[in-house]
Amino acid sequence: DAGVIQSPRHEVTEMGQEVTLRCKPISGHDYLFWYRQTMMRGLELLIYFNNNVPIDDSGMPEDRFSAKMPNASFSTLKIQPSEPRDSAVYFCASSPGPIYEQFFGPGTRLTVL
Amino acid sequence: AQTVTQSQPEMSVQEAETVTLSCTYDTSESDYYLFWYKQPPSRQMILVIRQEAYKQQNATENRFSVNFQKAAKSFSLKISDSQLGDAAMYFCAYRSNSGNTPLVFGKGTRLSVIA
Repeated sequence: DAGVIQSPRHEVTEMGQEVTLRCKPISGHDYLFWYRQTMMRGLELLIYFNNNVPIDDSGMPEDRFSAKMPNASFSTLKIQPSEPRDSAVYFCASSPGPIYEQFFGPGTRLTVL
Repeated sequence: AQTVTQSQPEMSVQEAETVTLSCTYDTSESDYYLFWYKQPPSRQMILVIRQEAYKQQNATENRFSVNFQKAAKSFSLKISDSQLGDAAMYFCAYRSNSGNTPLVFGKGTRLSVIA
């Protein structure tokens, strides 16, 4: 298996632009997680899905952030409009079930100028 | 809410020596899972070891082992015969076995390995 796939690996954009991050979980995994990692705040859970349904989005910082999972093999995290404080590494992870470890993608490094 | 605390922001160890990274957690539950993840400079999060709370035996994976003290809510990671490739951020994580619950991560410990 290819593991969790994220794209793009790096994204540089200007403040106010829309940013879309993409994730393909491992086939057969029912859980998908989006995390944000910064030096100041560490690893933060933004949202997670079970069987394509959002379960907990309490970590989404504000309305500028939205996430979707239209099918079992694809999810997006969108930031509109982006701000410099959104600069971080965004990870997607998937898990085959609630008692199993999460498998992380390589992350997307987002820089908002 | 569950919390995970890693009290050592940074640690260093001489190559071939042993180092122990600390982790404590707070929970009122009895059934849960604990994990150690490694994040090298490549940023990739890699599972190092996993422990089920109902198991008394400490998990071991090659040079990595844990000291799981359930009553004390402590879950330390021991790395034996440290290698240069062990240099990374190490994150302790907790996951409840009840319902749909995500991982709760500690802030991490940065481990340096000195040649």
